[in-house]
Amino acid sequence: QVQLQESGPGLVKPSQTLSLTCTVSGGSISSGSDYWSWIRQPAGKGLEWIGRINTFWSTNYNPSLKSRVAISIDTSKNQFFLKLNSVTAADTAVYYCARDSVVDGYLFFDSWGQGALVTVSS
Amino acid sequence: QSALTQEASVSGTVGQKVTLSCTGDSNNIGSYAVGWYQQISHGAPKTVMFGNSLPSGIPDRFSGSKSGTTASLTISGLQPEDEADYYCSTWDYSISARVFGGGTKLTVL
Repeated sequence: QVQLQESGPGLVKPSQTLSLTCTVSGGSISSGSDYWSWIRQPAGKGLEWIGRINTFWSTNYNPSLKSRVAISIDTSKNQFFLKLNSVTAADTAVYYCARDSVVDGYLFFDSWGQGALVTVSS
Repeated sequence: QSALTQEASVSGTVGQKVTLSCTGDSNNIGSYAVGWYQQISHGAPKTVMFGNSLPSGIPDRFSGSKSGTTASLTISGLQPEDEADYYCSTWDYSISARVFGGGTKLTVL
């Protein structure tokens, strides 16, 4: 069973860039059919998909965040990354990384990280 | 506002059968299978349904189905440990993005 673990600063100042790393263990991030996603959840609210990447660097982003988001991948380290720039307090949330894997011909999230709380505050 | 619509809350007693729904449109649920994700006490989400297939380790009292643009998660024989928030999600080809429902809070009375 693949495991995912988020890491990065827990506090980011307004207008700066939020950067997180997701480290994958127990499996290869280079599987051609998998996508690797970032999802966030503000306190007391629902899940919001941020974007995803695959081993071929094909990306998709949430249209509402697309202008501020970049997701990248390092297959040699079995890691993928999130950068969100020009952050505000509204970006304060628990950030999850997840694997999007093919089941019965469709993609589903099948493995999740534990989540990392990022607070935007001066 | 979420692209997929779920009930805000559903409740049931132990042993009862409950059904959670997730409504979208032809761009999302009408074209793709729907995943269901359980979140207990704001912990990490856990996958409980791949469309109508059960992930390994998930009890078979959980089942999934879809009709047109509405997907459903049914729990037969509700247990206290099923109390959680449940989210549905699928792909939306009109915006080339994943979408989530707003979540349903399931209370076991």
